[in-house]
Amino acid sequence: QKEVEQDPGPLSVPEGAIVSLNCTYSNSAFQYFMWYRQYSRKGPELLMYTYSSGNKEDGRFTAQVDKSSKYISLFIRDSQPSDSATYLCAAHYTGTASKLTFGTGTRLQVTL
Amino acid sequence: DGGITQSPKYLFRKEGQNVTLSCEQNLNHDAMYWYRQDPGQGLRLIYYSQIVNDFQKGDIAEGYSVSREKKESFPLTVTSAQKNPTAFYLCASSPRQRETQYFGPGTRLLVL
Repeated sequence: QKEVEQDPGPLSVPEGAIVSLNCTYSNSAFQYFMWYRQYSRKGPELLMYTYSSGNKEDGRFTAQVDKSSKYISLFIRDSQPSDSATYLCAAHYTGTASKLTFGTGTRLQVTL
Repeated sequence: DGGITQSPKYLFRKEGQNVTLSCEQNLNHDAMYWYRQDPGQGLRLIYYSQIVNDFQKGDIAEGYSVSREKKESFPLTVTSAQKNPTAFYLCASSPRQRETQYFGPGTRLLVL
């Protein structure tokens, strides 16, 4: 079992829809959670970074962490064609090394 | 502009050849990382370095080598011992004591 699991998709939604992207994790020691956006043939770009449980909002993006169920979510409101990309979740626990554990990514397609 | 640069964008390797991928950052970050990305497998950590002249193996270090002689630079050598080197290679960096990692644009390595 992978430590961070993510549905690979693809997920196709119409423009303007609310998108929900999800990950589950198995390691209870994870305390930091991130979402990265990766366009085709580009490096991942950090979107959201949260610590422990709770919600964090940044513009159209909301990251949510539920440590009791080991569930990580990213919501995108008013989705745009420019949001079409692969979204990677990642987790990390506090230690001497910043080693991230990544999910495999969910490919999102926002259609006109 | 602060950021991470990787070169070349595309690299071709012949059988039995060692090749070196360049990674440079001007963000004054202490830690640097190399990942390999294959379709459907997410990002896997090859090597990481938290400080100059020190580095540790990641999850898939066999067939790779690194050096960290300068804070700004963390080159990765793909040796002839790496039998399946075709992949997208990503370099990242992070500030000390923080967990967020920032990625470069990547190098795609292909075998001739």
